Amino acid sequence: EDQVTQSPEALRLQEGESSSLNCSYTVSGLRGLFWYRQDPGKGPEFLFTLYSAGEEKEKERLKATLTKKESFLHITAPKPEDSATYLCAVQHSETSGSRLTFGEGTQLTVNP
Amino acid sequence: DTAVSQTPKYLVTQMGNDKSIKCEQNLGHDTMYWYKQDSKKFLKIMFSYNNKELIINETVPNRFSPKSPDKAHLNLHINSLELGDSAVYFCASSQDLRTIKQFFGPGTRLTVL
Repeated sequence: EDQVTQSPEALRLQEGESSSLNCSYTVSGLRGLFWYRQDPGKGPEFLFTLYSAGEEKEKERLKATLTKKESFLHITAPKPEDSATYLCAVQHSETSGSRLTFGEGTQLTVNP
Repeated sequence: DTAVSQTPKYLVTQMGNDKSIKCEQNLGHDTMYWYKQDSKKFLKIMFSYNNKELIINETVPNRFSPKSPDKAHLNLHINSLELGDSAVYFCASSQDLRTIKQFFGPGTRLTVL
C-alpha cells in the first residue's frame, strides 16, 4: 500500500529564515510525486510534479527535489504570504483513475 | 472564471438526514474526483469518474453515492448522515485518466450534529 509521511507537522519560521519540508514515500512504481499548497478554507493548489529521482523544480522561493525515497520542499527566504499547509502526494504507476495518496501535510507559519 | 466549483460551501445538518454536494468544472476535463479531508487535514480519495463512468470506488460506505449527469458535473449524495461524516469534501478534476495533475475545488465543509 502506498504511504506518504510528511515532517514536521508544523513549522514556524521568521521571515527570511530558509528551511526545508520533508516528504517520505513508499510506493511500488512511482508515476509522480506532487506538492500542493493549501490555504485555510480553500482547496489544494498545485505547485509541482516530480517524476524521477534527481529531478528538481523551482517556483519563486520554492524548490522541490526528489530522491528514490523522499522529496524535499526547500523554502528560501520565506515571506509571511508563504504561510500555508503544504501537502505531498504520490501516484502509483499502475493505479487506475489517477488516484493520489496524500500525506498529512506540514503547516508552515512565517512570522514577519 | 472558477475552474472547479462546489456548492454549498458550508452544510450543517442533523444526523440521519440526506444531503447532496454539487461539483462543476469548466475546464473541459474528462476525469473528476471526490476527496474527503478529515480534521487532521488528511486528504483521502473517495471516488473518481471518467466520462461519466465510475473508475475508483474506495472503501466508502454505501450511504455515499456519486452521480455524474455529464462529464462536467460530479455530485455527491449522502444518505443517513452520521457524526463521522463531518469533514471537508473536495471535488477535483484532471484532463483525463493519464494526466496526473489535478485541480481542486474550494471544498464543502459538512457538519453533522
